[in-house]
Amino acid sequence: QVQLVESGGGVVQPGGSLRLSCAASGFTFSTYSMHWVRQAPGKGLEWVAFIRYDESNKYYADSVKGRFTISRDNSKNTLYLQMNSLRAEDTAVYYCAKDPRSYSNSWRVDYWGQGTLVTVSS
Amino acid sequence: NFMLTQPHSVSESPGKTVTISCTRSSGSIASNYVQWYQQRPGSSPTTVIYEDDQRPSGVPDRFSGSIDSSSNSASLTISGLKTEDEADYYCQSYDSSNAVFGGGTQLTVL
Repeated sequence: QVQLVESGGGVVQPGGSLRLSCAASGFTFSTYSMHWVRQAPGKGLEWVAFIRYDESNKYYADSVKGRFTISRDNSKNTLYLQMNSLRAEDTAVYYCAKDPRSYSNSWRVDYWGQGTLVTVSS
Repeated sequence: NFMLTQPHSVSESPGKTVTISCTRSSGSIASNYVQWYQQRPGSSPTTVIYEDDQRPSGVPDRFSGSIDSSSNSASLTISGLKTEDEADYYCQSYDSSNAVFGGGTQLTVL
């Protein structure tokens, strides 16, 4: 069965950096596009970033553009999110999410990880 | 970028029917598919409707989705409400380079 397990969350000071990882299993990771979606405490879902299965396209929300970088290692079945210049408003649970369409993208999610909490605070 | 606007909360009694709306601010609601996700407290979201009106396997047929071009909105309808349907519901759509979520609707079944 599909499993997405995020790690790397924690407490970081404003201006600091953090790298999140998402270990994928139960499907052919290299053929599926992936997303990061976040949820601030008590708030709604916010799409953060997208990476195509072959890394040919990467897209970002305006709120993180220039500060966050999405990447993947298909040989390790792992998705990453490098977060730099972190701000208090980046505090959220970060979900790794799988797009359901192989060798393409549908801009929707069929599987979600359990999330990892990032807290930006001094 | 466009926005998706949902009511903050709705409530209804068990056994009744409730409809949650999702209005697109610009561009046609019909130009890109709409999804609906359910999120119970403390859990990750799950899909209840995808591609406007499709139900994933395992989602009861009490859940249905539709779009209305005249109001530029999508709707999620839940009939025969059960207490287990109490959750937050999010609509989601996209354009060529962004996914967009609605602000979410808290459904209370009382």
